[in-house]
Amino acid sequence: DTVMTQTPLSLSVTPGQPASISCKSSQSLLHSDGKTYLYWYLQKPGQSPQLLIYEVSNRFSGVPDRFSGSGSGTDFTLKISRVEAEDVGVYYCMQSLQLPFSFGQGTKLEIK
Amino acid sequence: QVHLVQSGAEVKKPGSSVKVSCQASGGTFSSYAFIWVRQAPGQGLEWMGIIKGMFGTTNYAQKFQGRLTISTDEFTSTAYMELSSLRSEDTAVYYCARAENYYGSGSYFWGQGTLVTVSS
Repeated sequence: DTVMTQTPLSLSVTPGQPASISCKSSQSLLHSDGKTYLYWYLQKPGQSPQLLIYEVSNRFSGVPDRFSGSGSGTDFTLKISRVEAEDVGVYYCMQSLQLPFSFGQGTKLEIK
Repeated sequence: QVHLVQSGAEVKKPGSSVKVSCQASGGTFSSYAFIWVRQAPGQGLEWMGIIKGMFGTTNYAQKFQGRLTISTDEFTSTAYMELSSLRSEDTAVYYCARAENYYGSGSYFWGQGTLVTVSS
């Protein structure tokens, strides 16, 4: 099974400052079709997870451009260039390449 | 635009079963895979299993083997998750999510979640 490891597990950020979350997978998420099946979701308080980034670095429709994803193979990063109050919640990376699919433990972002 | 509506909260006794539904709108139902994910109170997301589109192939996480059944009804565009032999540790919010293709790899779009409480 593919294990997803996120760090840090919590972040406290001043509005306007950047934030960065790391996600490492125990196996490469690169498929022979050339796609890398790594996704980032945000679960805001009391809500369902919502898609932020697909295939490592593509922002989903409506996601602000302060969010960016990068990485390859087994190492991935989600960056928020300038954190805003509405960004609070828990961020999860997810791999949907190999069954069973798996999530990172989640990174809780709070505002200072 | 995908829209998933899950059934309401349930309270169950230990040893019983629960069946949660997830009605989908937007797109051709059989063209998409569905996964079920649960979230225990204060915990992270736990992948439970998948039902792929086209042929309805299922795959379950090892820890749920023998207790979990995922199914679909194409006529009502509804996916189901049934978990049996419930215990207190199964208390969680259960989410369905729909893939963007029939085989399941890729992005997912989520229902609102269904709280299942297991208590004597």
